[in-house]
Amino acid sequence: KQEVTQIPAALSVPEGENLVLNCSFTDSAIYNLQWFRQDPGKGLTSLLLIQSSQREQTSGRLNASLDKSSGRSTLYIAASQPGDSATYLCAVLRDDYKLSFGAGTTVTVRA
Amino acid sequence: GAGVSQTPSNKVTEKGKYVELRCDPISGHTALYWYRQSLGQGPEFLIYFQGTGAADDSGLPNDRFFAVRPEGSVSTLKIQRTERGDSAVYLCASSLTQSRGGTEAFFGQGTRLTVV
Repeated sequence: KQEVTQIPAALSVPEGENLVLNCSFTDSAIYNLQWFRQDPGKGLTSLLLIQSSQREQTSGRLNASLDKSSGRSTLYIAASQPGDSATYLCAVLRDDYKLSFGAGTTVTVRA
Repeated sequence: GAGVSQTPSNKVTEKGKYVELRCDPISGHTALYWYRQSLGQGPEFLIYFQGTGAADDSGLPNDRFFAVRPEGSVSTLKIQRTERGDSAVYLCASSLTQSRGGTEAFFGQGTRLTVV
């Protein structure tokens, strides 16, 4: 069974600091990895998708890396803003359609 | 529609009642998924549809849960004899198709079910 772990569970930083969120998974036989953002009481917004053959993806201030062999992904958010406050979830795609999620990292960016 | 739409956004029901949760996927998406998210946890897989058929329902917790997608578009998740432990956010997602490598899944806003 695929286990996905996100550390830390919560993170509080001052505005302007860079964020580093970690995700690890136990089974390296994945098709892709997605990072999502979830605001309180809301659904999931896809941020980045990294195919298993890729090493990283970038979108604006966001950069995600993938090291499949070691079962790790890292999401970097540069120059954090209060609007970045949310829960960030990583999920790996296995069996061609089934996403396995971590429990998320809740980020608070202090103004 | 522009995104995945779920109704209702909130549902409060009494223990033992029957509920239906609706999901309207992105137009043209053949793959549809239901997930359940309990407080403080990540979503857990319930069921996957490819077209009209349930390709994998292994995540449904018991036979009180059932889902349909009769015309390959809108899906309904049905829960019979609800229990307090069914309280959670039910998320629906859709994607263009599924193939080796996978495609991006787009999620709805979820239905928050509370069983009292």
